Amino acid sequence: QKEVEQNSGPLSVPEGAIASLNCTYSDRGSQSFFWYRQYSGKSPELIMSIYSNGDKEDGRFTAQLNKASQYVSLLIRDSQPSDSATYLCALYNTNAGKSTFGDGTTLTVKP
Amino acid sequence: DTAVSQTPKYLVTQMGNDKSIKCEQNLGHDTMYWYKQDSKKFLKIMFSYNNKELIINETVPNRFSPKSPDKAHLNLHINSLELGDSAVYFCASSQDAGRAITDTQYFGPGTRLTVL
Repeated sequence: QKEVEQNSGPLSVPEGAIASLNCTYSDRGSQSFFWYRQYSGKSPELIMSIYSNGDKEDGRFTAQLNKASQYVSLLIRDSQPSDSATYLCALYNTNAGKSTFGDGTTLTVKP
Repeated sequence: DTAVSQTPKYLVTQMGNDKSIKCEQNLGHDTMYWYKQDSKKFLKIMFSYNNKELIINETVPNRFSPKSPDKAHLNLHINSLELGDSAVYFCASSQDAGRAITDTQYFGPGTRLTVL
């Protein structure tokens, strides 16, 4: 079993729709969770971080964390073509001092 | 000012050669990383250094040797390059992976290595 599993893509949504990206993890010692966005040919960049159970909203992005069920998700409201990218889920275990990335989900937003 | 920089951006070389990739961060971070992203876009951590000390060394061939002359620099030297080493190599840094609960990483632009 992979340490971090993301829903297999590619994911395609029409412009204006809600895009839902999911991530499950196996390391219960993980304390911090991140979503990175990577455009083709570019480096990953952080878009959201979440540390507590519940929802965290930032503009059109909402991260949801459920540590009991070991999943973290990212919702993108009013999706735009500029949101088309690969989204990487990552988690951090402070005790181990280690970050682990998922394999990514490629999102395409069609005009 | 670029926060995390890497050189070169592109590297094309023959099998068997030895090459180095350099990374520098001006964020004052304590921890630096090397990642490999293959053709399938999977991002895998290779090494992590905290204050010039190796803290993570994933299962990579010993042909790969990281060197950290100071906490702002982490270079990657690769001996006897193989075809399978072709990938994009990303350097990253974070504030303090040892103590901080958060580990937001800032990535460099990447070095695309092609081994012929």
